[in-house]
Amino acid sequence: AQSVTQLDSQVPVFEEAPVELRCNYSSSVSVYLFWYVQYPNQGLQLLLKYLSGSTLVKGINGFEAEFNKSQTSFHLRKPSVHISDTAEYFCAVSDVQNQGGKLIFGQGTELSVKP
Amino acid sequence: DGGITQSPKYLFRKEGQNVTLSCEQNLNHDAMYWYRQDPGQGLRLIYYSQIVNDFQKGDIAEGYSVSREKKESFPLTVTSAQKNPTAFYLCASSMSSGRAHEQFFGPGTRLTVL
Repeated sequence: AQSVTQLDSQVPVFEEAPVELRCNYSSSVSVYLFWYVQYPNQGLQLLLKYLSGSTLVKGINGFEAEFNKSQTSFHLRKPSVHISDTAEYFCAVSDVQNQGGKLIFGQGTELSVKP
Repeated sequence: DGGITQSPKYLFRKEGQNVTLSCEQNLNHDAMYWYRQDPGQGLRLIYYSQIVNDFQKGDIAEGYSVSREKKESFPLTVTSAQKNPTAFYLCASSMSSGRAHEQFFGPGTRLTVL
């Protein structure tokens, strides 16, 4: 079985500063990894995904993430955040072999960008 | 426009009443999912369906029921057996289960039981 741990429940940061949202996963099999963003009272939108190949993945809105298999991590980064990046971010994992395409989600990290 | 619609956006019900949440997709996706979201707990899978007329329980299926009579529709009924139904409910779909296709999410329904 897989599990996902998002190490920070809240991350406050000033506008134009860099940010890193941390995600660690646990799995005995190969996985696919995802980051989603959720704005207040809305559904989730995919930021980026790692399926295979290059461990550095670029997504929308200037975000990127790096897959580190040895450390079982998939941290999300942005070099300069905007007020509009204020939202909740979810890391998710899927077993490559699984049936049903199920995603296991972390508890979420609330990013708050202050002027 | 292709996408997933959920209705209503807000729903209020009295305790002990069953309520049905609608989810429709026009993406021609095979798989559909229902999640429950509570503050600080992420998303938890209630039910999922890989194909019409078939569905499986997720991690927290007790007190919920679903049907999948059409490819584009996957309604969720919250029954009176669900002990704490107040939550934000999200529906999602994907191209094909068992593959690394992303899940697309609807805008959600916020259910409040009074």
